[in-house]
Amino acid sequence: KQEVTQIPAALSVPEGENLVLNCSFTDSAIYNLQWFRQDPGKGLTSLLLIQSSQREQTSGRLNASLDKSSGRSTLYIAASQPGDSATYLCAVSNSSASKIIFGSGTRLSIRP
Amino acid sequence: DADVTQTPRNRITKTGKRIMLECSQTKGHDRMYWYRQDPGLGLRLIYYSFDVKDINKGEISDGYSVSRQAQAKFSLSLESAIPNQTALYFCATSDPGTGDETQYFGPGTRLLVL
Repeated sequence: KQEVTQIPAALSVPEGENLVLNCSFTDSAIYNLQWFRQDPGKGLTSLLLIQSSQREQTSGRLNASLDKSSGRSTLYIAASQPGDSATYLCAVSNSSASKIIFGSGTRLSIRP
Repeated sequence: DADVTQTPRNRITKTGKRIMLECSQTKGHDRMYWYRQDPGLGLRLIYYSFDVKDINKGEISDGYSVSRQAQAKFSLSLESAIPNQTALYFCATSDPGTGDETQYFGPGTRLLVL
């Protein structure tokens, strides 16, 4: 059974720092991996999607990497800003892309 | 207008009541999903549908039922609500056939069962 873990559950850093959020999964037979952002009381917004054949994806200040063999993904945020404060969730799809398993998220707080 | 809408946004009900949560999308996607989110547990898949005639149980379908009335509409029902169904419910859509695997989420429905 696929399990997705995100550690730490919460993180607070000063503005301007570069930071890394971690995601690990137990079954390497994934179809893709997505990183989402969730603001309080809001839905999820997709940030980056990495196909199983890819190693990384970039969008602006965000870079997500994928290492299937070790069951890990990281989300790198450069030059953090207070507006980056949110909960970040990773989710993996299985080989048939029919089941998506979410991690419990990392709540990120950027201090001005 | 939002691509994925959910009604109601908030709902308070009593134990034993039947309630329906509705989801509509204007993205033209074939696949639709219902998730629930509980504090500290992330999102868990309740049901998913790949087209109007295809409905599948997810990880936690007990106590729930769904109806795919049209490509654009996917409803979630709680036949007899119980307090541990208090949660934040999300609908999502996707259409991998277009080459975009991304899931698009609605704003959520916050449900409280007393």
